[in-house]
Amino acid sequence: DVKVTQSSRYLVKRTGEKVFLECVQDMDHENMFWYRQDPGLGLRLIYFSYDVKMKEKGDIPEGYSVSREKKERFSLILESASTNQTSMYLCASSFLRGGNYGYTFGSGTRLTVV
Amino acid sequence: GIQVEQSPPDLILQEGANSTLRCNFSDSVNNLQWFHQNPWGQLINLFYIPSGTKQNGRLSATTVATERYSLLYISSSQTTDSGVYFCAVERDSNYQLIWGAGTKLIIKP
Repeated sequence: DVKVTQSSRYLVKRTGEKVFLECVQDMDHENMFWYRQDPGLGLRLIYFSYDVKMKEKGDIPEGYSVSREKKERFSLILESASTNQTSMYLCASSFLRGGNYGYTFGSGTRLTVV
Repeated sequence: GIQVEQSPPDLILQEGANSTLRCNFSDSVNNLQWFHQNPWGQLINLFYIPSGTKQNGRLSATTVATERYSLLYISSSQTTDSGVYFCAVERDSNYQLIWGAGTKLIIKP
């Protein structure tokens, strides 16, 4: 099975800290995504990447940046964490080859900014 | 932009019951998927179904692209089916999914 691994399940950080959320996938998927999920707001796309060193803004990129130096790893960076970035962060990877399609999520990182 | 509406928003059923969840979308799409998020937050892809019908065990899905809706059927519900079911569509092959608000399903023993 494809595995998408997020480095932390729970994280508590202080306001103003620089925060790194790491995501690694093991099946050579081209596309990787970062979402946040908040009650009543559903899943919102922050950034995605369709290739190494490529990145595209999603619906809510403000306050975030990303890095994809290797195909298997996609990092989300909060440059200066704020309390309104307290949320569940979900990483996903996907592929579409020869009519076969896969979209796999990690188990999520619940980030609390205090 | 494309709107994705799911109904019902909430559904409470007894174990063993059957259910139908609906997803309406406002424009043509390249891709439609159904996901299940369990009570611990893990999201699992159930079906990739831009058109036609697929079945996987007790679950099946049908998408009628010309009429812009998809249905997810769950037969003989089990408590492990509880969670939130999301429909998501892709616009213009640009990798971005547009998500519905979900249907929260509770299966009572």
